[in-house]
Parts: sequence; structure tokens; C-alpha cells
Amino acid sequence: DTGVSQDPRHKITKRGQNVTFRCDPISEHNRLYWYRQTLGQGPEFLTYFQNEAQLEKSRLLSDRFSAERPKGSFSTLEIQRTEQGDSAMYLCASSPLLAGGPDTQYFGPGTRLTVL
Amino acid sequence: DAKTTQPNSMESNEEEPVHLPCNHSTISGTDYIHWYRQLPSQGPEYVIHGLTSNVNNRMASLAIAEDRKSSTLILHRATLRDAAVYYCILRDVRTANFGNEKLTFGTGTRLTIIP
Repeated sequence: DTGVSQDPRHKITKRGQNVTFRCDPISEHNRLYWYRQTLGQGPEFLTYFQNEAQLEKSRLLSDRFSAERPKGSFSTLEIQRTEQGDSAMYLCASSPLLAGGPDTQYFGPGTRLTVL
Repeated sequence: DAKTTQPNSMESNEEEPVHLPCNHSTISGTDYIHWYRQLPSQGPEYVIHGLTSNVNNRMASLAIAEDRKSSTLILHRATLRDAAVYYCILRDVRTANFGNEKLTFGTGTRLTIIP
């Protein structure tokens, strides 16, 4: 088990460009979360998938943001027409389906986005 | 949502115990207390969680006040690798058990370990 992986680790783009990030969760984990973290702040929830279904979206996820998990395995987060305010660390987490008790979320190393 | 309050920063000497406090005076009876930590340049990682009773695992201990309005994360013998931001998070057991409860992070406590 290699843990949650994210690609790329760093992305520099110009304002107005589109970017796409990928997250590969731990195998067999049904649940997948996206968070965003700006400097000096804790991560903020963006969206959540159970298998391929997107079950919750934060109001932080504007219409320029879209996330998919087409086969219930890896997920992509796309940002269209990037703005400088989108500069942040984008974190992915996954968790297993448990019979009882709260799930533990396992985080990837994140993708750091810089919008110039 | 019930909120938590943590000191912005703490320092501790290497190889000594560390007590990280968290206040959650508006906690409800169905809130779990979770701790995650984030090492430099990494994503957060789970440390420990509890509901009412004190909990121990290989990483740390969690001491929960009798009225549940505060808790303390205890690192028994801090090492340099424990330098991180520690987050105290409340999760409603009614939704956390079904895995559809997001983690709501505050700004956490930045722990510095002095060699």
C-alpha cells in the first residue's frame, strides 16, 4: 500500500489558464475528499465522493471548479480560468468503508498551485 | 458546528512530554474529538480520536475532561519529528460513522521541539 498519491506536486500557471490535478486514493478506499489549504490556515473542505458519486460540495467550489471520480478509483480536480486567489495547496484524502466508528482520512502530499 | 480553540503555538524540549490543550465548550453529546497533525510540506495525518473515555495509541494519548468541554493531546516523549501543526477537530458521530462528514480544521497549534 503506497498511500494516497497526487500529481503533479507543483503547478505554476498563468492567470486565465485551466489546470487539472489528479488524486489516486489508497486502493479499496470508497471515499475520497478534496481540500484546499492557503498559507497559515488549516485545510478547507471542497468536495467529497463515495465511489463515483459526488455527495457534497462546499460553496467554496465555484462554477470554475469541477471534480470527477469516473470509475470510483482516481479523481481529478479541474480549475478553469484560474485566478490568483486560487493559489493554494490542494489536498486529497481517502478513507475506507467501515462497519462502525468514524472513518480515518488518509491524506496525500498535496499539489501546490501558483497562479501568476 | 461546535468549534475548538487551541493555542497558536507551543514549544517543548526534546525527549520531554508535551501536553497540547483544546477547548470545545460547545461540544455536543454526539461529537467525537479527533486530532490530526501536519508535518512540514506534508498532508495532515491522523493521530487519535475519542468520545468520552481517555484513549491511548502508539503515537499519543488523549485525555478528555469529565464534562468533555476540553481535551489534551499528550505526546509522552517528544522528538524532533513531532514538530508539526496539531489540529483538534470535532466530528458528529451521527455522520462520521457513515464517512460523509468532512473534517473542519481550525488553525491548530504549531509545536516547536527544541533540541
